Amino acid sequence: GQNIDQPTEMTATEGAIVQINCTYQTSGFNGLFWYQQHAGEAPTFLSYNVLDGLEEKGRFSSFLSRSKGYSYLLLKELQMKDSASYLCAVRPGGYNKLIFGAGTRLAVHP
Amino acid sequence: GAVVSQHPSWVICKSGTSVKIECRSLDFQATTMFWYRQFPKQSLMLMATSNEGSKATYEQGVEKDKFLINHASLTLSTLTVTSAHPEDSSFYICSARDQPSHTLLANVLTFGAGSRLTVL
Repeated sequence: GQNIDQPTEMTATEGAIVQINCTYQTSGFNGLFWYQQHAGEAPTFLSYNVLDGLEEKGRFSSFLSRSKGYSYLLLKELQMKDSASYLCAVRPGGYNKLIFGAGTRLAVHP
Repeated sequence: GAVVSQHPSWVICKSGTSVKIECRSLDFQATTMFWYRQFPKQSLMLMATSNEGSKATYEQGVEKDKFLINHASLTLSTLTVTSAHPEDSSFYICSARDQPSHTLLANVLTFGAGSRLTVL
């Protein structure tokens, strides 16, 4: 079966750095995605990893280790607007779809 | 960038009625669209993959006769919740990709704004 795990909730302080972890067990692997979702809104794409290593996009970075079935999303210089749910999603091998984790609700406070 | 339009954004209906939700790709053609549902504080659950010109592929446990999907053109997919009941109340989100299927970014999905269904 397919299984994606990430922490349910996290809190952090404005201006700080936070790391959101994601572990996965899927039948094959064709990429891992991170999405941001504010309450009541559609998810928006943040990052994509298909090879091991770190991908950096401004304040956001995502890391992947395929051998460990592990990824993390790193958010730097946190802002209040970063308070949202962060969804880890995996494209299993041979499938034309994305499987989402339950999401991590991040609360950024002053 | 790619835009996916979803309509209506919210709908309230009586139990037993049917509700249609539309998903349109505005500036690109989408041979494949995906329908998800999301309960409060939970993640996205894939319901079905909508394929233009052919039958949708439903995930295990999703009733295809209850959630009718039609993908009649390259820019429009519709989800009809038939004989809706209160337990069908949920946030329904469609998504599509604007990249050719053979590219690495083929599954960077663009999501519609979602449709919140409340069945009384």
